Amino acid sequence: QVQLKESGPGLVQPSQTLSLTCTVSGFSLMDYSVHWVRQPPGKGLEWMGRMKYDGDTYYNSALKSRLSISRDTSKSQVFLKMNSLQTEDTAIYYCTRGFPPYWGQGVMVTVSS
Amino acid sequence: DIVMTQGALPNPVPSGESASITCQSSKSLLHSNGKTYLNWYLQRPGQSPQLLIYWMSTRASGVSDRFSGSGSGTDFTLKISSVEAEDVGVYYCQQFLEYPLTFGSGTKLEIK
Repeated sequence: QVQLKESGPGLVQPSQTLSLTCTVSGFSLMDYSVHWVRQPPGKGLEWMGRMKYDGDTYYNSALKSRLSISRDTSKSQVFLKMNSLQTEDTAIYYCTRGFPPYWGQGVMVTVSS
Repeated sequence: DIVMTQGALPNPVPSGESASITCQSSKSLLHSNGKTYLNWYLQRPGQSPQLLIYWMSTRASGVSDRFSGSGSGTDFTLKISSVEAEDVGVYYCQQFLEYPLTFGSGTKLEIK
C-alpha cells in the first residue's frame, strides 16, 4: 500500500528556514520520483520541485534560489529545505509520488512571528 | 512554462445532472509516443487532491465510471455524469509533459 506522510514544524518565523520530511512506504525511492507541491490557504496548487529516482533534482525556477530537495533512501525519506521564508510561503505542503501519483495528507506551515 | 486555464461551472449543479469542466493548455500536451500528458484531480474540502484521470482519458483505479476525460492536444474536458453529493470540491487539471509541472486554477463544483 503506497503511503506518503509529511512532517515538520507548523510554525516558522519570517526569514528562517523551513525543513520538511516526507516518509514513504509501499514503494522504493529508487524506483519512483517524489515531488513537493504547496497550496496557500484557499488558493491553488504550485509545483515546487522533485527528487528523481536516480537522485537528480529539478526545481521550479520561481523557488530555485531558496529551495533544496534531498533524500535518504535507507530511511525512505525525502527532505525539503527552503530558506528566507516570508508570510506568502504560508501553505499546506504536500509530497507526492511520481506517476502514477499518490499524495500525502499534507502539512500546514504558517510563517509568522 | 505551460499555462493551464480552466473554465467555471454554472453552480450549483442539480443532483443527477451532468457537469463538464474545461481545461486549456498553452502548448500541446500530446507527446510523440501518442500519449497526452494531462491529469485531472478532485480535491474534496479538507483533503489532499485525488487522482481521477491520467493520460487525458484513463480513469485511475477505483474511480467511478461517472467520470470521463476527453480532448485534443490543447483542449480538454472532464465530464461528470449524474453528479452526486460526494463529487463536491475543486477540480484541477495538471500537465506533466514538461517541467515545471503546472496546474489549472481549479473549478469548484457545488451541488443543488
